[in-house]
Amino acid sequence: EIVLTQSPATLSLSPGERATLSCRASQSISSYLAWYQQKPGQAPRLLIYDASNRATGIPARFSGSGFGTDFTLTISSLEPEDFAVYYCQQRRNWLITFGGGTKVEIK
Amino acid sequence: EVQLLESGGGLVQRGGSLRLSCAGSGFTFSSYGMSWVRQAPGKGLEWVSAVSDSGGSTNYADSVKGRFTISRDNSKNTLYLQMNSLRDEDTAVYYCAKDLWSGEDWRNWFDPWGQGTLVTVSS
Repeated sequence: EIVLTQSPATLSLSPGERATLSCRASQSISSYLAWYQQKPGQAPRLLIYDASNRATGIPARFSGSGFGTDFTLTISSLEPEDFAVYYCQQRRNWLITFGGGTKVEIK
Repeated sequence: EVQLLESGGGLVQRGGSLRLSCAGSGFTFSSYGMSWVRQAPGKGLEWVSAVSDSGGSTNYADSVKGRFTISRDNSKNTLYLQMNSLRDEDTAVYYCAKDLWSGEDWRNWFDPWGQGTLVTVSS
């Protein structure tokens, strides 16, 4: 099983600040990584796939980078609606796994 | 607009069975792989199972293998999850999700997700 470790668990920031979220894989997953956003009481929403491709309708302030074992989701300037929990997910092999999540909260 | 609507959740006794359904609309259902992902109360996401567009290939997480069965009826645009021998740890919101793209490279990314259906296992 490929384990995804997200850090930090919680990120306390103010609107307008830059958010940098990390996801580390226990073994190389090439670029088989996605990022999802989940708000309370809602289903997750796909933000980034294949490590760096924005999904349809996702604002340009969201960007993804990384390859192999280390990946980053960056939100260039936080908007009020961006405060949520973010999960990474890999599909390198048949057993799909998710990271434990990073909560981005208002400071 | 692509829509996924889950149903069938509820309260079930430990050891019991339940069948979840997920009705798809707004896309060619038979062209896309589909998955179930669950989320225990206050916890993170756990992939449960996936099925290819034709239904001919399936995958399961170890935690549900042998107890859950994923299937689909493309004539009804509906995905199913038959859950048997339910345990306390199966309590969760169950989401169905569509593959981002169709084709041989199925089980790719999840987009979109349904609103979820809550399954509660109680003694």
